Amino acid sequence: AQKITQTQPGMFVQEKEAVTLDCTYDTSDQSYGLFWYKQPSSGEMIFLIYQGSYDEQNATEGRYSLNFQKARKSANLVISASQLGDSAMYFCAMREGNTNAGKSTFGDGTTLTVKP
Amino acid sequence: ETGVTQTPRHLVMGMTNKKSLKCEQHLGHNAMYWYKQSAKKPLELMFVYNFKEQTENNSVPSRFSPECPNSSHLFLHLHTLQPEDSALYLCASSQPGLAIETQYFGPGTRLLVL
Repeated sequence: AQKITQTQPGMFVQEKEAVTLDCTYDTSDQSYGLFWYKQPSSGEMIFLIYQGSYDEQNATEGRYSLNFQKARKSANLVISASQLGDSAMYFCAMREGNTNAGKSTFGDGTTLTVKP
Repeated sequence: ETGVTQTPRHLVMGMTNKKSLKCEQHLGHNAMYWYKQSAKKPLELMFVYNFKEQTENNSVPSRFSPECPNSSHLFLHLHTLQPEDSALYLCASSQPGLAIETQYFGPGTRLLVL
C-alpha cells in the first residue's frame, strides 16, 4: 500500500488566491514527521514546512500552512496569496519514527500552476 | 558555497561509458542520500550513508556504485548504464538525531543515457 497519496496530479490557481494541495498518509507508527517540498523546473527540492505527529498546532511558515488532521491521516498544504513563482511540483513526504537517518517516503507530487 | 551542491548538472553518456556524479554538502550533516527521479514516477531512494557507513541499498543494480569518503562528499559511480537509467539524480543530506530531521537537497544531475 502506498504510504503517501497525493490525489491531485495537477492544480491551477489564480494569482493572489489561496490553494490547498492534498496529502494523505498511512502509518502504524505513533511518532512520525510530515514534510512538504517544492520542486521548480530547475529540479532542486526545496523544503517548505514540517509537521510532527505530536505537534498540537498546525505548522505555519510564511504563506505556507499545513492543515494537519491526525484522525483522518491527512496533511494538506495551504498556500495563501499565490504568486507566479509558486508554480512548481509539490511533494508530500513522511518519515516514520524508527527510520534511520531521516529516510523519507515521498508521494507522487502535484503540479501547481499559478495563472496571472 | 552553502547548502548541497551537485556536479555535473547535466550529463549525456553512452551505455559503455563510465562517469561519476559528485555531491557535496556544506551543512555539517552526517547523513547523505542518493535519490532517482524518473519522469512521471515518485522519488526513489537509492542509497543512504550515515556517518560514512552505507545503511541502505534499496535494491539498486550494481551498475550504480556509491562512494562516501567523508561526511561531506558523496559520489555515484556509473558504468554500463541502460537507457532506462536516464533520470534526475538528487543528492540530499540531513543531520541524524535532530527532533526535526529535514533532508536538504541539491539541484540534481540530469542524466541521459544513449
